[in-house]
Amino acid sequence: QSALTQPASVSGSPGQSITISCTGTSSDVGNYDLVSWYQQRPGKVPKLMIYEVSKRPSGVSNRFSGSKSGNTASLTISGLQAEDEADYYCCSQTISGPSVIFGGGTKLTVL
Amino acid sequence: QVQLQESGPGLVKPSETLSLSCAVSDYSIRSDYYWGWIRQPPGKGLEWIGTISHSGKTYYKPSLKSRVTMSVDTSKNQFSLKLSSVTAADTAVYYCMRELGGAADYWGQGTLVTVSS
Repeated sequence: QSALTQPASVSGSPGQSITISCTGTSSDVGNYDLVSWYQQRPGKVPKLMIYEVSKRPSGVSNRFSGSKSGNTASLTISGLQAEDEADYYCCSQTISGPSVIFGGGTKLTVL
Repeated sequence: QVQLQESGPGLVKPSETLSLSCAVSDYSIRSDYYWGWIRQPPGKGLEWIGTISHSGKTYYKPSLKSRVTMSVDTSKNQFSLKLSSVTAADTAVYYCMRELGGAADYWGQGTLVTVSS
């Protein structure tokens, strides 16, 4: 059961859009529409940003959107703001167990 | 607003059993949600440990399954984690959470557990 694959880091300037990919397999991302994304600012508790691939919890900005194609899920943040600087983790249900598996995390830097 | 609060020893000796509890406030644990644990070693990423329903149905991470036991106490509106035979690799911040469909929407503040003699 390997972790989902995310880029270690991404960066963008304020106002730009960025996309973070999350690549799994046909046993996890490709098999379930149960992909979620979390934002974790330094020293803080992770916060749910996207669930079930593309749904936003109440209170999460519509600048955050999620999608999936095959075995790869993506998180897009539009209109980047300084406050978006954080670590982002993807997560998926997996056949193994069944259980849940995380990506290794992506550090977003707002330039 | 659902509130979760972890409690338990912050220091556990190698080979012993780590025991944590999570008290849930302002929401009944007897719901359709699952309740579970996620951990994060210092400076590293998140790791899902497992979940339990109010009826006691459990799902564990396969690689931890032999060492993990989760239980629920509906009378106290809380649930618990036991992790046996701990090593330094189990040193982490342990978060309890509420989960539905693999998504953890409410989290506790986290508690650091250090495994050391």
